[in-house]
Amino acid sequence: KAGVTQTPRYLIKTRGQQVTLSCSPISGHRSVSWYQQTPGQGLQFLFEYFSETQRNKGNFPGRFSGRQFSNSRSEMNVSTLELGDSALYLCASSQSRQGHEQFFGPGTRLTVL
Amino acid sequence: SQQGEEDPQALSIQEGENATMNCSYKTSINNLQWYRQNSGRGLVHLILIRSNEREKHSGRLRVTLDTSKKSSSLLITASRAADTASYFCATDGFGRGDMRFGAGTRLTVKP
Repeated sequence: KAGVTQTPRYLIKTRGQQVTLSCSPISGHRSVSWYQQTPGQGLQFLFEYFSETQRNKGNFPGRFSGRQFSNSRSEMNVSTLELGDSALYLCASSQSRQGHEQFFGPGTRLTVL
Repeated sequence: SQQGEEDPQALSIQEGENATMNCSYKTSINNLQWYRQNSGRGLVHLILIRSNEREKHSGRLRVTLDTSKKSSSLLITASRAADTASYFCATDGFGRGDMRFGAGTRLTVKP
């Protein structure tokens, strides 16, 4: 099976812009979660989607949003970018919501100038 | 917020030696997973251990879980230079759809 894919791999934006990141889960996986990784805060949970519904959300401002499509692919959007949004954004997929391994994609490296 | 902490924060050993990393967490868990990450790349899943298991093996990896102490350890035997990476533990709690990660242990294996 192909692994989790994320596009784009690298992105450079300026403050105030918005960005959309995409994630394609492993075939058959219905749960997709997003994480932000920064040197200062480490890995932090953003949100989780299952069956096209957001099931859980981390402690991030409303500028961070996402959605999941019927084929389980997911997108996350960050509006009004801030310098502090520079991070590695990781997507993970699993067969179901709990009790299963989460497999991560390579991440999207976002730099905000 | 992060669930727990890995110990040590950094570990440097020679090739062939064993490496032990520890993870502590704060709340009840459903399972605990260990991941490896090479230099800012994606996380590679290593092993999952459920809350009713005490020990699990996978190749050169051995994971233990002590739910009474809320701690887990990852042992890598006969380490190789290619094992150089950051290692994270992540907990999956009951009723939660997220995983909570520790800060990671940076392992350096010298050839």
